[in-house]
Amino acid sequence: DSGVTQTPKHLITATGQRVTLRCSPRSGDLSVYWYQQSLDQGLQFLIQYYNGEERAKGNILERFSAQQFPDLHSELNLSSLELGDSALYFCASSAQTGNTEAFFGQGTRLTVV
Amino acid sequence: EDQVTQSPEALRLQEGESSSLNCSYTVSGLRGLFWYRQDPGKGPEFLFTLYSAGEEKEKERLKATLTKKESFLHITAPKPEDSATYLCAVQARSGNTPLVFGKGTRLSVIA
Repeated sequence: DSGVTQTPKHLITATGQRVTLRCSPRSGDLSVYWYQQSLDQGLQFLIQYYNGEERAKGNILERFSAQQFPDLHSELNLSSLELGDSALYFCASSAQTGNTEAFFGQGTRLTVV
Repeated sequence: EDQVTQSPEALRLQEGESSSLNCSYTVSGLRGLFWYRQDPGKGPEFLFTLYSAGEEKEKERLKATLTKKESFLHITAPKPEDSATYLCAVQARSGNTPLVFGKGTRLSVIA
């Protein structure tokens, strides 16, 4: 168990809909990262938050947004969903100082039908 | 742009047959190179961090090494439970930057 919790584990929704994925980082970790993993694709970085502020942005679509709350949990919002958004979405967290490795949650499998 | 290339894409080994996985990288100043293991449908599980050329880390049947251009994950006498996808990632020195991942090597160990 990495200590990173993601909910829900599975999500099935229709095209055009909006969903929210939730992530609770490891205790004490200030950084949260969101990654997307599609079939035959590597882990694609979407966005990073550090202590409530956006720190880095990757290949995140304009239809997607995220935020990190004062209690450090994070939410990834996906709107106007398309079939191609079906993927595994992972959250990871890391501490600011010392070891910089990121620990991943078990992911949310999103299926858009 | 930071880039990670892993080879081979897939590797099939007999139980006990040792081998190595390769991770070539280009990064604007390496802060760390990371190895993860990922089982199907699960989140990546952290294995090792390497920070400088010449560094080695070991864990059970796995040993990771690092040069200035690549890293190797050596698997000694693998067992079927070592079957997984092994991911390599790099982090640039410009602090608190995200990890950039390769596409992974899918390892199958046959009994």
